[in-house]
Amino acid sequence: TQLLEQSPQFLSIQEGENLTVYCNSSSVFSSLQWYRQEPGEGPVLLVTVVTGGEVKKLKRLTFQFGDARKDSSLHITAAQPGDTGLYLCAGENNQGGKLIFGQGTELSVKP
Amino acid sequence: GAVVSQHPSRVICKSGTSVKIECRSLDFQATTMFWYRQFPKQSLMLMATSNEGSKATYEQGVEKDKFLINHASLTLSTLTVTSAHPEDSSFYICSARDLGGGLEYEQYFGPGTRLTVT
Repeated sequence: TQLLEQSPQFLSIQEGENLTVYCNSSSVFSSLQWYRQEPGEGPVLLVTVVTGGEVKKLKRLTFQFGDARKDSSLHITAAQPGDTGLYLCAGENNQGGKLIFGQGTELSVKP
Repeated sequence: GAVVSQHPSRVICKSGTSVKIECRSLDFQATTMFWYRQFPKQSLMLMATSNEGSKATYEQGVEKDKFLINHASLTLSTLTVTSAHPEDSSFYICSARDLGGGLEYEQYFGPGTRLTVT
């Protein structure tokens, strides 16, 4: 069974601080996606990484896919209260597009 | 961008009744849709994969006779929770893949349906 270990599960920081969320697996994924979810809403896709070693930037968010395509990280620079939410990583294997989700990281950014 | 809708957004039903949730891809065709459930403060758990025109594939531990899935067209999949019980109360979310836009890795989620069984 493929697993995706996401850490930390909870993170409470002050506005302006930097943070990194990690997703690790012993399995190789064909792609990995990062989502952000607000309470009572569905996840919203932030980015998809496909190539090993790939780095993508989305304003203050930097996403990296490990060289072996087994792990990924999300780094947020100068966090703002608007970044508060549940961040989810999800890896896709080659079984018809099924996504395997990490446990999620509940981020709280205090002003 | 690809938009997925769900209806209803919230539903309250009595124990023993059945509830149908619709998932629609509004601006693209989705040969595959996925159904998840999510408990408070937890991640998404895949329930089943819905393929247009064929039977759904259920994940281990998910009762196929309780959670009926129908994917009758390329833009609509439905999840029916039969004989609902309070333990079925949860947040149900669907997702769909846009296979026609060159974004084969992209998966888009609906806004979710909050089911409360009393």
